[in-house]
Amino acid sequence: GAGVSQSPRYKVAKRGQDVALRCDPISGHVSLFWYQQALGQGPEFLTYFQNEAQLDKSGLPSDRFFAERPEGSVSTLKIQRTQQEDSAVYLCASSPNVRGEQYFGPGTRLTVT
Amino acid sequence: EDQVTQSPEALRLQEGESSSLNCSYTVSGLRGLFWYRQDPGKGPEFLFTLYSAGEEKEKERLKATLTKKESFLHITAPKPEDSATYLCAVFISGGSNYKLTFGKGTLLTVNP
Repeated sequence: GAGVSQSPRYKVAKRGQDVALRCDPISGHVSLFWYQQALGQGPEFLTYFQNEAQLDKSGLPSDRFFAERPEGSVSTLKIQRTQQEDSAVYLCASSPNVRGEQYFGPGTRLTVT
Repeated sequence: EDQVTQSPEALRLQEGESSSLNCSYTVSGLRGLFWYRQDPGKGPEFLFTLYSAGEEKEKERLKATLTKKESFLHITAPKPEDSATYLCAVFISGGSNYKLTFGKGTLLTVNP
């Protein structure tokens, strides 16, 4: 069956540009998570949705980061006015419930030049 | 502050040489401990979930165990295809927090 998909897989942005990263979760999964992974590090939590409700956004590093999931399925992570420190792999994960195992997509590698 | 520490950072084994990876944690409100495998350029792949001390789970050459303070991932007679980064994560929940907190991972290399 189809897993979690993310697009684009790679994105190069000039400093100051806005970017939008898309996540298509596994069909029927209620919970959706975004993580940021720097090279050589484990993923770090950004935000969590239950259906269309954003229940936890405590990991978003600044107000330049914004996430939405308007219909409770596809989610978009938007980064405004990108900075070099935003360069990382952005991972999306979905789960049938908040406590269950999370299934990850392949990630979007963002490089800010 | 909730912490997850994995050791060693890197481990090199010969094919067939069994070993263990460690994940120690200091968290409150633990609701589960997860093990993932991550290959270069890919997202983490789910392996196991453990919910309570004393629990064990197995899959092929891998066995995960959990105590109140740490978890071990035992690898029996590893093969080169087991080479990957192994990530441990704890799930905590409370108030408005719902998240996996990951360790930095152990990079396992199995030589033929």
